[in-house]
Amino acid sequence: DSGVTQTPKHLITATGQRVTLRCSPRSGDLSVYWYQQSLDQGLQFLIQYYNGEERAKGNILERFSAQQFPDLHSELNLSSLELGDSALYFCASSVDGRKHEQYFGPGTRLTVT
Amino acid sequence: DQQVKQNSPSLSVQEGRISILNCDYTNSMFDYFLWYKKYPAEGPTFLISISSIKDKNEDGRFTVFLNKSAKHLSLHIVPSQPGDSAVYFCAASLNYGGSQGNLIFGKGTKLSVKP
Repeated sequence: DSGVTQTPKHLITATGQRVTLRCSPRSGDLSVYWYQQSLDQGLQFLIQYYNGEERAKGNILERFSAQQFPDLHSELNLSSLELGDSALYFCASSVDGRKHEQYFGPGTRLTVT
Repeated sequence: DQQVKQNSPSLSVQEGRISILNCDYTNSMFDYFLWYKKYPAEGPTFLISISSIKDKNEDGRFTVFLNKSAKHLSLHIVPSQPGDSAVYFCAASLNYGGSQGNLIFGKGTKLSVKP
């Protein structure tokens, strides 16, 4: 158990809908990262937050957004969902933005039908 | 363009023997490399890492070797155990002015250790 929690574990929704994925980092970790793992793409970095502030952005679509709250938990919002958004979404955390080792949650499997 | 490549999608090894997983990268600015292990239906688990200023790091049965001139790293598992069967991901990190950012992952190598 990495100490990172993610909810829900599974999510099935229809195209055009909006969903919110939630992540709680390990106790004491200030930085949160979101990754997407699809079948053919491997793990792709989406976005990083550090202590409530956006720190880095990767291949995140404009339909996707995220935030980190004062209690350090983070939410990833996916809107206008398309079939191609079906994937595993992982959250990871690290002590701060300077520490390389990131600890991953169990992921949320999103299926868009 | 893939900056981190794991060219072997799968590897099968006998229990007790050595497993060698390979990874190549293209960006010479990467300053830290990590290996993660992933079981089905779980998130990646951090295994071992190495700074670009070192060429070897050891932790129990796991050793990572880095060859900067060849832009190549490898993970050695000795001796291999059936519980090591999993997908192994190589990842690299860039230093953004002292602040570490996201990890760039390879596509993984599925290791099967046969009893």
